[in-house]
Amino acid sequence: QQPVQSPQAVILREGEDAVINCSSSKALYSVHWYRQKHGEAPVFLMILLKGGEQKGHEKISASFNEKKQQSSLYLTASQLSYSGTYFCGTVLSGTYKYIFGTGTRLKVLA
Amino acid sequence: NAGVTQTPKFRVLKTGQSMTLLCAQDMNHEYMYWYRQDPGMGLRLIHYSVGEGTTAKGEVPDGYNVSRLKKQNFLLGLESAAPSQTSVYFCASSSGTGGYNEQFFGPGTRLTVL
Repeated sequence: QQPVQSPQAVILREGEDAVINCSSSKALYSVHWYRQKHGEAPVFLMILLKGGEQKGHEKISASFNEKKQQSSLYLTASQLSYSGTYFCGTVLSGTYKYIFGTGTRLKVLA
Repeated sequence: NAGVTQTPKFRVLKTGQSMTLLCAQDMNHEYMYWYRQDPGMGLRLIHYSVGEGTTAKGEVPDGYNVSRLKKQNFLLGLESAAPSQTSVYFCASSSGTGGYNEQFFGPGTRLTVL
């Protein structure tokens, strides 16, 4: 039931782009993205809802394909501060149970 | 606003001991969650609450109990700690259902069970 993310890990140079994917075997009604830096709590990045609505706090873009049950997070012109582990998350259909994806470790080098 | 706070920040227990972790939020949020995160792993939902006086099981509830007597507080209890419960515990809250609202996380409690 846990959404699967790919890649598991990625290393970038500053200024390079990256795409992180989140795929679910169950129907998705919304997808969230969080970033967690080492030793810290996860921080909200974005919510994507069915119908195309998006809510986010940062200049990070994402897509949500409801039919394919997939979401992708696009990190463009990466900065050192983008380093961390990225998690997608969603609520299991018919419940209030929240479940996080497997995670993607991203490291940006100078 | 303090946001979400957790007490204590660190704790070491011996096998069989009990303890309670406290989560408090000052945002008047209805929904609260307890997660555990093992080293190098993702977050797994232990228990959650959709309002004062309510609790429900998450993905990994065994060995834990919770209570939400006051809207702003969500307590996580370990009755008889086991080494397998060594983890970082995060509390989170949201204004509405987690599916449509961002979750605000506390700083975490690092628990070691010897």
